[in-house]
Amino acid sequence: GDSVTQTEGLVTLTEGLPVMLNCTYQTIYSNAFLFWYVHYLNESPWLLLRSSTDNKRTEHQGFHATLHKSSSSFHLQKSSAQLSDSALYYCALTRGSALGRLHFGAGTQLIVIP
Amino acid sequence: EAAVTQSPRSKVAVTGGKVTLSCHQTNNHDYMYWYRQDTGHGLRLIHYSYVADSTEKGDIPDGYKASRPSQENFSLILELASLSQTAVYFCASSEETGVHEQYFGPGTRLTVL
Repeated sequence: GDSVTQTEGLVTLTEGLPVMLNCTYQTIYSNAFLFWYVHYLNESPWLLLRSSTDNKRTEHQGFHATLHKSSSSFHLQKSSAQLSDSALYYCALTRGSALGRLHFGAGTQLIVIP
Repeated sequence: EAAVTQSPRSKVAVTGGKVTLSCHQTNNHDYMYWYRQDTGHGLRLIHYSYVADSTEKGDIPDGYKASRPSQENFSLILELASLSQTAVYFCASSEETGVHEQYFGPGTRLTVL
C-alpha cells in the first residue's frame, strides 16, 4: 500500500542554519501528490506545501520542496531557520484521484534554538 | 471564526465506558475525516465520510464507530473505551479527497483511565 517515511523524528537546529526535513514515499500509482502539513503546538495542523509536477519546486512562507519521482522524495527545505519554525511537520501522500486518501508520515518535530 | 470545531476539547474517560467525540464544520465540504495522533505514528485515519448518512473505514477503524447525520456533523464513537485509545483526535474536512487541502479542527485530547 501507499506509505510515507520521515526518517527523523526530531531535528534540533540553531537559528539561521538551513532546514532540511526528509520525506520519501512508496506508491504504485504514477499520479501521486505529496504534501507538507505543519502543526504548531496548541493549534490545528494546516497545509504548508503541495507538490507540483515532477522536478518542479513549490514554495510557501519561505519553505520549498521539489517532487522527485525518480527517487520518490519530497524533502522540505528552508534556507535559514527561525525560532518561529519550531513545530511538527508531516509529509503526506495521496493519489491524484477522487478516491485517494491522505497517508501521513510519522512526523518530524523541528526545534529551533537561539 | 474557526471552520472546523471539535467538542469536547479534552476528556477523561474510564475503561469500558462510552465516549463520543463531535465535529462540526461550516466549510460546506462533503468530505470529513477522523484521525488519531500518536507520537511516532503521525496522523492515522480512523473513519471518513463523503456524504451524510454514510461512513467508510480508514486505516485503523477497530474499536471505533462513526456517524455522519448531516453534512456539517461527524462523530466518532468509542463504545468500550480502552487504555490504548488514549490519544489526540483530530477531525478534518475537505472539498473532495485526493489533492484537495484538508482543514483540521483543534483536536480533542482523550485520556482513558
